[in-house]
Amino acid sequence: SQTIHQWPATLVQPVGSPLSLECTVEGTSNPNLYWYRQAAGRGLQLLFYSVGIGQISSEVPQNLSASRPQDRQFILSSKKLLLSDSGFYLCAWSIWPSSYNEQFFGPGTRLTVL
Amino acid sequence: DQQVKQNSPSLSVQEGRISILNCDYTNSMFDYFLWYKKYPAEGPTFLISISSIKDKNEDGRFTVFLNKSAKHLSLHIVPSQPGDSAVYFCAASAGTNAGKSTFGDGTTLTVKP
Repeated sequence: SQTIHQWPATLVQPVGSPLSLECTVEGTSNPNLYWYRQAAGRGLQLLFYSVGIGQISSEVPQNLSASRPQDRQFILSSKKLLLSDSGFYLCAWSIWPSSYNEQFFGPGTRLTVL
Repeated sequence: DQQVKQNSPSLSVQEGRISILNCDYTNSMFDYFLWYKKYPAEGPTFLISISSIKDKNEDGRFTVFLNKSAKHLSLHIVPSQPGDSAVYFCAASAGTNAGKSTFGDGTTLTVKP
């Protein structure tokens, strides 16, 4: 069966500090990978998606970047965090093509930038 | 421009009654629609979906209805149970769009015992 891991679960960082969030998927090959952010009381905003190693598409201009160094590893980074980067970050995977484009989410990382 | 909208931020129903969650979309290219359920501090989990060639899909207590002409879909939960209390997200995707989905802002459902 497939499993998706995200760490850390929670993170408190000062403004201007760097960020690295990691996501790994087990039990599947060549998944599509996604990073989302959920701001308080809002929906899921797609930040990045990747259809293969080294292939990253950015959905919104921002202070963040993503990388996919291995097939089942997806990393979200920032060189200098802003207050507005606070939120709940979710990694997800899917198999493309699939019947309904359903995505499978990790447990999330709660990031607080102070 | 928000392409997927859930206009009701919250819904409260009594246990055993029907819960109806609504979702509207604007992009006519969407051809897959999904509902996810999310508990606090967890990632969303896929609940049920429907393709644009259907107008109804049923899975146990959950039924999704699609009205393409109105660009509207709804999730019915019958009977509602306290364990159904969660945030429900509507999502839509286009078949040619590499699996990307556009999500609504969610509706918080509270089922009272």
